[in-house]
Amino acid sequence: DAGVIQSPRHEVTEMGQEVTLRCKPISGHNSLFWYRQTMMRGLELLIYFNNNVPIDDSGMPEDRFSAKMPNASFSTLKIQPSEPRDSAVYFCASSGGEGRGTEAFFGQGTRLTVV
Amino acid sequence: GESVGLHLPTLSVQEGDNSIINCAYSNSASDYFIWYKQESGKGPQFIIDIRSNMDKRQGQRVTVLLNKTVKHLSLQIAATQPGDSAVYFCAENLWSSASKIIFGSGTRLSIRP
Repeated sequence: DAGVIQSPRHEVTEMGQEVTLRCKPISGHNSLFWYRQTMMRGLELLIYFNNNVPIDDSGMPEDRFSAKMPNASFSTLKIQPSEPRDSAVYFCASSGGEGRGTEAFFGQGTRLTVV
Repeated sequence: GESVGLHLPTLSVQEGDNSIINCAYSNSASDYFIWYKQESGKGPQFIIDIRSNMDKRQGQRVTVLLNKTVKHLSLQIAATQPGDSAVYFCAENLWSSASKIIFGSGTRLSIRP
């Protein structure tokens, strides 16, 4: 298996533009997570899905952020409009457990820079 | 791969010595704990896990200890090698939140030759 695949690896955009980050989880995994990593706040869980359904989005910073999982093999994290403070590394992860007590496998991340 | 230059506590260890990385978790209801390693330019990578019905678990060169009384977790790395240089995170799984995995702030392990 190729692991969790994220695209793009790097994204530089201007403030106000829409940004879409993409993730392909490991085949067969039924949970998907979006994390954000910054110097100040470390690794923050933004949202996670079980069986394509958003379960907890309490970590999503504000309405500018949205995430979708239209099917078991694809998810997007969208920021509209983007702001400089959104600059961070965004990780997608997936796990294959029935719900509780299983490790998450991470992608390589997308470094987002908003100028 | 990507990572960030986090301002983290740093543990400096002589190559060949044992390393002990500590972590305090927050929720007494958590029942599953994981240690991750994040190398520069990569995403976090699973090292070892432990469930709350255990207080110790061993892997290859690594041991995790769990003290539920004081909500403390530690990772011991035997015979530390240059390749162990990384940021180490503990993570907890909140039972009431199904798959939700919450990460701690991380510790940077630096190896002296």
